[in-house]
Amino acid sequence: NAGVTQTPKFQVLKTGQSMTLQCAQDMNHNSMYWYRQDPGMGLRLIYYSASEGTTDKGEVPNGYNVSRLNKREFSLRLESAAPSQTSVYFCATSGIGNSPLHFGNGTRLTVT
Amino acid sequence: GDSVTQMEGPVTLSEEAFLTINCTYTATGYPSLFWYVQYPGEGLQLLLKATKADDKGSNKGFEATYRKETTSFHLEKGSVQVSDSAVYFCALSDNAGNMLTFGGGTRLMVKP
Repeated sequence: NAGVTQTPKFQVLKTGQSMTLQCAQDMNHNSMYWYRQDPGMGLRLIYYSASEGTTDKGEVPNGYNVSRLNKREFSLRLESAAPSQTSVYFCATSGIGNSPLHFGNGTRLTVT
Repeated sequence: GDSVTQMEGPVTLSEEAFLTINCTYTATGYPSLFWYVQYPGEGLQLLLKATKADDKGSNKGFEATYRKETTSFHLEKGSVQVSDSAVYFCALSDNAGNMLTFGGGTRLMVKP
């Protein structure tokens, strides 16, 4: 039972390059989220998707786009990476109401 | 907007010491409160939660009580172990349960 799977685990980009972070879940959850984690700042929500076909901006959406491809998959795209996007990115899912978040193991991204 | 404030770390304790990690929040309405734990190289995992005032969440020897009068949800454990070394995040969710707001995290280091 994989839960929430993120790929890749590590990535190094040069400024201006693009890439897509992938997230897939097998928990049959409706809601999916992308967070970034920076030292001393906790986790900040980038985008979320309450259900297949819908996406909404979180606290820090600038420089990112997302795509909820189907119920299982929620991808995060950086069109033109910047050093300020160096971070650890986490995908998470949740069921209905106040059910807890289930996190993937993260993608560590460095932009030089 | 909603916010969560945690004590800054790192917190360094000897094995079997008593642990308190302070957490206070500001929110409208009646949020649910959570503690998540992050072990090295992993995503966050739910440790415990409380959904209404005076509720006590508990798990693995950790506990926290939802105090509406002081807007606090302090995490405590009577006797910590080396295996408790991790980063602990306090969080709250809005009334609809769609969005989590996280504190900055507190790193706990337990020495043998």
